[in-house]
Amino acid sequence: DSGVTQTPKHLITATGQRVTLRCSPRSGDLSVYWYQQSLDQGLQFLIQYYNGEERAKGNILERFSAQQFPDLHSELNLSSLELGDSALYFCASSSSGSLPHEQYFGPGTRLTVT
Amino acid sequence: GQQVMQIPQYQHVQEGEDFTTYCNSSTTLSNIQWYKQRPGGHPVFLIQLVKSGEVKKQKRLTFQFGEAKKNSSLHITATQTTDVGTYFCAGLGNAGKSTFGDGTTLTVKP
Repeated sequence: DSGVTQTPKHLITATGQRVTLRCSPRSGDLSVYWYQQSLDQGLQFLIQYYNGEERAKGNILERFSAQQFPDLHSELNLSSLELGDSALYFCASSSSGSLPHEQYFGPGTRLTVT
Repeated sequence: GQQVMQIPQYQHVQEGEDFTTYCNSSTTLSNIQWYKQRPGGHPVFLIQLVKSGEVKKQKRLTFQFGEAKKNSSLHITATQTTDVGTYFCAGLGNAGKSTFGDGTTLTVKP
């Protein structure tokens, strides 16, 4: 158990809909990262937050947005969903925002868009 | 932008054989991290290499960081069935952003 929690575990929704994925980092970690992993694919970095502020942006679509709240939990919002958005979405946390610290991954949310 | 390539994509070995995966970056890296993802699981941190030419060992696993800090390798000696999974490298570039390779999926035949 990494200490990072993600909800829900599974999500099935239709094209055009909007969903919100939730992540709670390890106690004391200030950084949260979001990744997308499609079937048999690598990890695509989406976005990083550090102590409530956006720190780095990766290949995140405009239809996707995220935020980190004062209690440090984070949400990833996916809107106007397309079939291609079906994937495993991981959240990871680390203790620092700028230093090369290891990342602890949550169990992921499996999103299926039908 | 920064690209991190991993080869091979898949590797099938007989139990007891050795295994190596290679990670190559298009740019010089500040550090490189290695993660393992078991089937159906999430990535788990294995190790971080920071210095040029650094070599670290964890039991049967040997990690190397190239002299130019643009490549790295993970070598497993005498694989076991517990080694199955996908091994990812993640390179931290000068812009402070980590880029993951596509991973090498290892299967071990008992």
